[in-house]
Amino acid sequence: GAGVSQTPSNKVTEKGKYVELRCDPISGHTALYWYRQSLGQGPEFLIYFQGTGAADDSGLPNDRFFAVRPEGSVSTLKIQRTERGDSAVYLCASSLTREDEQFFGPGTRLTVL
Amino acid sequence: AQSVTQLGSHVSVSEGALVLLRCNYSSSVPPYLFWYVQYPNQGLQLLLKYTSAATLVKGINGFEAEFKKSETSFHLTKPSAHMSDAAEYFCAVSSNTDKLIFGTGTRLQVFP
Repeated sequence: GAGVSQTPSNKVTEKGKYVELRCDPISGHTALYWYRQSLGQGPEFLIYFQGTGAADDSGLPNDRFFAVRPEGSVSTLKIQRTERGDSAVYLCASSLTREDEQFFGPGTRLTVL
Repeated sequence: AQSVTQLGSHVSVSEGALVLLRCNYSSSVPPYLFWYVQYPNQGLQLLLKYTSAATLVKGINGFEAEFKKSETSFHLTKPSAHMSDAAEYFCAVSSNTDKLIFGTGTRLQVFP
């Protein structure tokens, strides 16, 4: 079956621009997670959705970052006024419930010039 | 707060040799512990997880890990390395099973 998909696979933008990163979870998975992986580091938790609501957004670094999941399926991570330090691979994962295994997508590589 | 430390950013072994990847954790509550593998240009894949049942956990591809509370460790082992095991391995901790806190990873190289 289809796994977690993320689009685009690569995104290059200029400092100060706005970007949106999309995640399509596995069908039927109620939990969805966003992580950020900087070069040479492990993934860093950003936000977790249970259904449509953000159950834990403690990992969002500042108010330039925002994520939505309006229908409890697809999620969009939005970054305003991008900075060079935002360059990283943004990973999405989903799980059937919060107690189940998280399945990761291939990530979106964001480069801010 | 929770954290994991992976000792050794790079580990090299010969094909057929023992694989040992080290992970120590810090947690103020009973932890859930995970090992993930990341192959080049692929997503993270769960190898195994500890959720307070048996302390010796067996995972996919012949890997296993042992939870040692006294040593706050959760080292990953495999008796005999294969070339296909070359990848990056991440240890992670959680207080439940949702928000994962990852280590910085260990890149495993396997030489013929």
